[in-house]
Amino acid sequence: DTAVSQTPKYLVTQMGNDKSIKCEQNLGHDTMYWYKQDSKKFLKIMFSYNNKELIINETVPNRFSPKSPDKAHLNLHINSLELGDSAVYFCASSQVLSSPLHFGNGTRLTVT
Amino acid sequence: GIQVEQSPPDLILQEGANSTLRCNFSDSVNNLQWFHQNPWGQLINLFYIPSGTKQNGRLSATTVATERYSLLYISSSQTTDSGVYFCAVLYSGAGSYQLTFGKGTKLSVIP
Repeated sequence: DTAVSQTPKYLVTQMGNDKSIKCEQNLGHDTMYWYKQDSKKFLKIMFSYNNKELIINETVPNRFSPKSPDKAHLNLHINSLELGDSAVYFCASSQVLSSPLHFGNGTRLTVT
Repeated sequence: GIQVEQSPPDLILQEGANSTLRCNFSDSVNNLQWFHQNPWGQLINLFYIPSGTKQNGRLSATTVATERYSLLYISSSQTTDSGVYFCAVLYSGAGSYQLTFGKGTKLSVIP
């Protein structure tokens, strides 16, 4: 029983394409997140949703758009992919914003 | 925004040795968590510790919120402890929240 699952695990695509990463959690948590981990392993939050409402929106390009159809799902859409978007993207969830974080296994995005 | 600094950036240990990892933060925080990222990239939550001391097997953590630091202790290290250890803080200020990770301590345990 995977608590936070993301698909796909690997994503290789060309510059200019549009892609999506899906995330689902079965923990009954109210809050979900997207994080980006760069090649130096630095983890930076991109977005956070609480009960389908955006509560944290860091400075990321408009090409990145989160979508939360319900509180168990938070998908990440990326338009017009660029080389610099190559990274590992982690989805996470927590009961509320101040609660322990549970991470998915990550999606390694490679843009060629 | 809040600054989170971890030290040391890299650590090499002989199996069986003990170690202490440190996380300093620049302002009062709502919570602090420690994570282990294993060599396969999985991020595991080790401790949720806004203050006080907690222990889990060979690992323990202490946060002194008033002095703005937290320590992660690893005793009798094993090769499976290798990976990167991150601390992360939740900071609220000026009507917004920041969830910030430190840059991590890369631990290598050699047999």
